[in-house]
Amino acid sequence: QKEVEQNSGPLSVPEGAIASLNCTYSDRGSQSFFWYRQYSGKSPELIMFIYSNGDKEDGRFTAQLNKASQYVSLLIRDSQPSDSATYLCAVDNNNDMRFGAGTRLTVKP
Amino acid sequence: GAGVSQSPRYKVAKRGQDVALRCDPISGHVSLFWYQQALGQGPEFLTYFQNEAQLDKSGLPSDRFFAERPEGSVSTLKIQRTQQEDSAVYLCASSLGGGQIHEQFFGPGTRLTVL
Repeated sequence: QKEVEQNSGPLSVPEGAIASLNCTYSDRGSQSFFWYRQYSGKSPELIMFIYSNGDKEDGRFTAQLNKASQYVSLLIRDSQPSDSATYLCAVDNNNDMRFGAGTRLTVKP
Repeated sequence: GAGVSQSPRYKVAKRGQDVALRCDPISGHVSLFWYQQALGQGPEFLTYFQNEAQLDKSGLPSDRFFAERPEGSVSTLKIQRTQQEDSAVYLCASSLGGGQIHEQFFGPGTRLTVL
């Protein structure tokens, strides 16, 4: 079992819809959780992080964390074609950060 | 500069050749990380520095891989006697260090191709 699991996709949603990206992790000692966006041929770009159970909203993005279920998600509201990218979930335990393989999202105009 | 920089951006090496990849972190960032990213995969941890101290090198795949950060700023990842399986993008990231949240900011990466 991988330490950080993501559905590889591709996930395809129409423009304006909500995209839901999911991630599970195995290390119960994990303290903080990150979502990165990676465009093809580019390096990962931090979108947001969360460390407390519940929801955290930033513009069109909402991160959700459930430590009991070892589950993190990212919701993208009003999806735009420019959101098409691979989304990486990362889980950190005191500077030991592990990444999932990423979910490829396509937003169709 | 404002962000993490890496050089070279692209490197083609013949099998058996030694290569050196450079990372210049964000000014003032204490922590520096190296990752290897294969096509279609997430970044895989290689090694981590806090200032000049290499605190974790458990991800280095073999003793052909060596990293240093002698003055606690610029870091070099060296790969000796490169093999085809070393072909990947090598990403460097830095973070402020300290505190509870360790946001990492990535450089553009070095794409290594071993022929």
